[in-house]
Amino acid sequence: QTVVTQEPSLTVSPGGTVTLTCASSTGPVTSGYYPNWFQQKPGQAPRALIYDTDNKHSWTPVRFSGSLLGGKAALTLSGVLPEDEADYYCLLYYADTRTRVFGGGTELTVL
Amino acid sequence: EVQLVESGGGLVKPGGSLKLSCAASGFAFSDAWMTWVRQAPGKGLEWVGRIKTTRDGGTTDYAAFVKGRFSISRDDSKNMLYLQMNSLKTEDTAVYFCGEGGGLNHWGHGTLVSVSS
Repeated sequence: QTVVTQEPSLTVSPGGTVTLTCASSTGPVTSGYYPNWFQQKPGQAPRALIYDTDNKHSWTPVRFSGSLLGGKAALTLSGVLPEDEADYYCLLYYADTRTRVFGGGTELTVL
Repeated sequence: EVQLVESGGGLVKPGGSLKLSCAASGFAFSDAWMTWVRQAPGKGLEWVGRIKTTRDGGTTDYAAFVKGRFSISRDDSKNMLYLQMNSLKTEDTAVYFCGEGGGLNHWGHGTLVSVSS
C-alpha cells in the first residue's frame, strides 16, 4: 500500500519561512506525480494552493510556492502570516494505478 | 463563481447503502473530471475516486479501500455528480467532499455520512 508522508507538525514565527515536504513510499517524487497542495482551516473545506508541482491558482498568495526538493515535493511559505496557521495536505498522482493519494497532513502553527 | 454543493449524507446502519449527490455550477461541468474525497472525524483527507469526462470515456478509478463497494457516476445534463456507496462499514464514517478536476481545484462544503448501528 502506497504511503505519502508529511511532517505531522511544524512551528514557524510570524514573518519567517517554513518548508513542508511530501514523500512517497514508492521512491523519489518527480513532476510525474503532479503534486498538489491544499490548505484546510478548522471547520472549513480544503482550498487548493498549488498544482502540478509549482503552479499557483489565481487566488494563491504570492508567499506560497511549490517545488521539488531532495526527492520530495515541497511547499514553502515565505513571510508567514498568523492567518497561515492551518493544516496542509499534499496529493500525489500514481500513473500505474491511475489513483491519487493524500499525505497525512502537516499542522502548521504560527507562534 | 464555481459552486459545488453536496447532499445526501446521513445516518445509516452497517451494511447499508447511501447515494451522495454533488450539484455543480459556475463552470463547464461536462468538460471537468470530478473527484470524491472523504475526511473521517479528526483525521486527514482521503482520496476516494475520480470520474473522467464523458468525452474521455467517463472512466472511473477508485482507492483500494473502496474494493467495489462504491461507484461514481455523473449526469452532464443536470450538472450532477454522484457517489453510490454500498456495504457501508463503520470506518466509512466521514465528511464526503466533491471536487472539480483531478487536482481538486475547487471543493464543496461536504456532507456527513455516519455509519453506526
